[in-house]
Amino acid sequence: DTEVTQTPKHLVMGMTNKKSLKCEQHMGHRAMYWYKQKAKKPPELMFVYSYEKLSINESVPSRFSPECPNSSLLNLHLHALQPEDSALYLCASSLGPGPLNTEAFFGQGTRLTVV
Amino acid sequence: KQEVTQIPAALSVPEGENLVLNCSFTDSAIYNLQWFRQDPGKGLTSLLLIQSSQREQTSGRLNASLDKSSGRSTLYIAASQPGDSATYLCAKGDSGAGSYQLTFGKGTKLSVIP
Repeated sequence: DTEVTQTPKHLVMGMTNKKSLKCEQHMGHRAMYWYKQKAKKPPELMFVYSYEKLSINESVPSRFSPECPNSSLLNLHLHALQPEDSALYLCASSLGPGPLNTEAFFGQGTRLTVV
Repeated sequence: KQEVTQIPAALSVPEGENLVLNCSFTDSAIYNLQWFRQDPGKGLTSLLLIQSSQREQTSGRLNASLDKSSGRSTLYIAASQPGDSATYLCAKGDSGAGSYQLTFGKGTKLSVIP
């Protein structure tokens, strides 16, 4: 099983809403990632969790709040977003954070539209 | 900042043709290089991973090579099929702030014409 599952697949939210994106994997991976992808652009790293601890925050605005409740689950809490935050949000995982065993597996993404 | 460049940005070939996609990167301090496929509006599917100690990897009709010294990787697709039409992304894996991360190129959009 090399599956990373993201829910929901699509989300439309207003600028005053609070919503959460969910990502789950059962491969025993200990590194999990959030990426943001705008149309016709490559994915850009937002956050990295290693062993359930936040190890990288790429200067992401505080309206995005990640959470890793356990080794299989990664959430991204959204609050007071702007229309320019509309994008495809991708979750990924890899076996570990080090240089070996780092093949990354991606979910199908959540298409977020902020209105 | 790490840069990953992919050439060409788009490629259209007739079915059955062999083709090569190119990826170049700055900074030879690389852990690995990973090739992905992305269909429109979808997530990324991992195709091949080459560790820094390796020179190539093969999977079916796909062959990826890595030359760290020149900062280049190529993805060779043999006997292309219409189902191969997608955007192909290469991503360089290295250590940032003590944690592994991927830096992506902008991708090559491949169209295989029946």
